[in-house]
Amino acid sequence: AQSVTQLDSQVPVFEEAPVELRCNYSSSVSVYLFWYVQYPNQGLQLLLKYLSGSTLVESINGFEAEFNKSQTSFHLRKPSVHISDTAEYFCAVTGGNDYKLSFGAGTTVTVRA
Amino acid sequence: ETGVTQTPRHLVMGMTNKKSLKCEQHLGHNAMYWYKQSAKKPLELMFVYNFKEQTENNSVPSRFSPECPNSSHLFLHLHTLQPEDSALYLCASSHPVGGYGRNTEAFFGQGTRLTVV
Repeated sequence: AQSVTQLDSQVPVFEEAPVELRCNYSSSVSVYLFWYVQYPNQGLQLLLKYLSGSTLVESINGFEAEFNKSQTSFHLRKPSVHISDTAEYFCAVTGGNDYKLSFGAGTTVTVRA
Repeated sequence: ETGVTQTPRHLVMGMTNKKSLKCEQHLGHNAMYWYKQSAKKPLELMFVYNFKEQTENNSVPSRFSPECPNSSHLFLHLHTLQPEDSALYLCASSHPVGGYGRNTEAFFGQGTRLTVV
């Protein structure tokens, strides 16, 4: 079975500042990793994913995450945040023949002007 | 729009009522899920269906009764709920097991905000 730990429950950040959300996973098999974003009163939307290949993956709105197998991490970064990035972010993992996603507890990002 | 539609978006019900939540997807997925999201708590996986068969029930109370008549539709029947059942209920779908994890990203609906009074 896989599990995910998101190390920060709340991350306040000023507009145009960089942000990093930390995610560590545990698994005994090869993993597939995801970041989801949830805006207020919405469902979860896929932000980016790592399935194979390049360890650095990017989203269309400027986020990127790097899969680090040796550190079992999949941290999410954005070099310059906007007010509209205020949301809750979830890291998730699946692997092997297990198709269910295991989610972290979530990180609330609040961007202030 | 993710391709997963949940109705209703909001529901207020009394503890003696019976109601149903509906989820519909036309993404060609065969795995469907119900999650519960309560304030200040992690996402809780409630039920999993794979090819219309229930494959997981995470110790969910019997006042929640899922139904999956076909691969595109998933229901959650509710009866005699408690105030602590108030939460956002999320439906999701994905490709089924067997693909070595490929394409296992889940697509979520907008959720039903349930309030039990």
